[in-house]
Amino acid sequence: AQKVTQAQTEISVVEKEDVTLDCVYETRDTTYYLFWYKQPPSGELVFLIRRNSFDEQNEISGRYSWNFQKSTSSFNFTITASQVVDSAVYFCALSEGGGTASKLTFGTGTRLQVTL
Amino acid sequence: DGGITQSPKYLFRKEGQNVTLSCEQNLNHDAMYWYRQDPGQGLRLIYYSQIVNDFQKGDIAEGYSVSREKKESFPLTVTSAQKNPTAFYLCASSIRGAEAFFGQGTRLTVV
Repeated sequence: AQKVTQAQTEISVVEKEDVTLDCVYETRDTTYYLFWYKQPPSGELVFLIRRNSFDEQNEISGRYSWNFQKSTSSFNFTITASQVVDSAVYFCALSEGGGTASKLTFGTGTRLQVTL
Repeated sequence: DGGITQSPKYLFRKEGQNVTLSCEQNLNHDAMYWYRQDPGQGLRLIYYSQIVNDFQKGDIAEGYSVSREKKESFPLTVTSAQKNPTAFYLCASSIRGAEAFFGQGTRLTVV
């Protein structure tokens, strides 16, 4: 069974601090996909990044970066120089690639609060 | 514009009543999902469907039912058997392996 764990329930930082959100996953498949989503107060989920299991390259997009390590089954997300607009709930998700039915499983989310 | 439309945005249900939440997508995605989110909680999978006329139970399917008669539509019925239906419901669609696109959600309240 697939599972995603986000151990950090809530993180509070002061603006301009760097912050890392942890994500650990479990799957039996060799082919799978990992995602990060942002949920602002409006409620709608905003897609941030997708990574497949065969691509362990880290990725950077502006102030955002992601560290994928298969050896530790982790897909961590770092925000550099955080801003108040980064305040939201962030979800990590996993989709297994094999078979005819593919569940998309989410972690419980990490609430990030950035203050001035 | 392509996307996912959920309706209504707010829904009130009397105890013992069945209600149906609508989800329509024009992205030509094969897969569709329903999630439930309780205050301060993560997303829990209710049902998902990979193709028309086929769907699978997620982690919390009891008290819910779905249908997938058309590729673009995946309505969710919250039945009277669901004892605690007050929650925020999110519908999503995707192509296998790609990111899921989400609707704006329906907030259901039991009155």
